[in-house]
Amino acid sequence: EAGVTQSPTHLIKTRGQQATLRCSPISGHTSVYWYQQALGLGLQFLLWYDEGEERNRGNFPPRFSGRQFPNYSSELNVNALELEDSALYLCASSLVLSDWKTEAFFGQGTRLTVV
Amino acid sequence: RKEVEQDPGPFNVPEGATVAFNCTYSNSASQSFFWYRQDCRKEPKLLMSVYSSGNEDGRFTAQLNRASQYISLLIRDSKLSDSATYLCVVNQHAGNNRKLIWGLGTSLAVNP
Repeated sequence: EAGVTQSPTHLIKTRGQQATLRCSPISGHTSVYWYQQALGLGLQFLLWYDEGEERNRGNFPPRFSGRQFPNYSSELNVNALELEDSALYLCASSLVLSDWKTEAFFGQGTRLTVV
Repeated sequence: RKEVEQDPGPFNVPEGATVAFNCTYSNSASQSFFWYRQDCRKEPKLLMSVYSSGNEDGRFTAQLNRASQYISLLIRDSKLSDSATYLCVVNQHAGNNRKLIWGLGTSLAVNP
């Protein structure tokens, strides 16, 4: 069974540009989480989507946005890129809310570098 | 106070040693807890889940103390391959909302 897949694996952008990151969850998983992990820092929660809707959002500015498609895959968009947006962006998927014992499975991440 | 706090380390221990990490959480409504392992430049992977008082899997033991709001991870007979960052995760539910809250991780280096 395929795990969580993310694309691209690496992305280099210049300041002010926009970046689009993609995530395909494990088959059957309806929840997708996005996290940012900057160098030397822990996982920072960005967004949570479930059943096509945004359920929760971390403390990030509005230029971080996303969406979830009917097939549960997801996109993260970062507008007006800043140097400090350089980080590893991780996507995780999990089973539905009703099972509180679920765990999150991570993709290998997209390493975004803003120059 | 941060929602989830861990001692960042690094913990440097010799092979064969026993090492323990603690993680404290601030929200008493937290319902389930996890320890994840993250190798350098890789994604986190689940190590153990803790739903009641504790869990044991081979050399790894996780314990939960709800009264004091902390979770611990004990690693016995450390191996070189245990070197990694260990992340504490707290799962909170509020109605239909759910949050996974991550600690910053504890770094472990097991030395020959």
